[in-house]
Amino acid sequence: GAGVSQSPSNKVTEKGKDVELRCDPISGHTALYWYRQSLGQGLEFLIYFQGNSAPDKSGLPSDRFSAERTGGSVSTLTIQRTQQEDSAVYLCASSLVATGSNQPQHFGDGTRLSIL
Amino acid sequence: QKEVEQDPGPLSVPEGAIVSLNCTYSNSAFQYFMWYRQYSRKGPELLMYTYSSGNKEDGRFTAQVDKSSKYISLFIRDSQPSDSATYLCAMTLKAAGNKLTFGGGTRVLVKP
Repeated sequence: GAGVSQSPSNKVTEKGKDVELRCDPISGHTALYWYRQSLGQGLEFLIYFQGNSAPDKSGLPSDRFSAERTGGSVSTLTIQRTQQEDSAVYLCASSLVATGSNQPQHFGDGTRLSIL
Repeated sequence: QKEVEQDPGPLSVPEGAIVSLNCTYSNSAFQYFMWYRQYSRKGPELLMYTYSSGNKEDGRFTAQVDKSSKYISLFIRDSQPSDSATYLCAMTLKAAGNKLTFGGGTRVLVKP
């Protein structure tokens, strides 16, 4: 079946521009996660959604970062006024219901973001 | 000090050898433990998923968890060149949104 789909796969933009990254989770997965992977910091949690709400935004590095999820499905991660330190691979993962039990997370192939 | 420590490698082995990978962690509240494989320019792929101490086997892969020592391992038997990748350990609390905390990854090279 279809896995987690992310778009675009690559994004190059100039410093100061806004970018939107999209994640389409596995059908039926109510939990959705964003992570960031960079050379110096490894793989770090950003935010998680249960349905359309985000109970944990603790990993968002600054108020330039925001995310939303609509219809309990597709999610968009937005970075405003991009900085060079935002260059990284942004990974999305999804799982079955997160609360009350633990379910394994399945990842997409990520969006490789480069800020010039 | 990071919550999860993992030797970055690279770990180079001949084809057919056993690959041994491990992670140590500091937070005794971690309950679920995972191993992911990541090929270049791809997302992490779930290999093993375990809860509680003990061993779990799946094909050529064996995962071990020792909660008393805060130590987890992954063994790959009869390694193949296609096993060449970066292996990431990850773990999570029982609750708290189940966000994963990752080790830094070990790069493995299996030489034909």
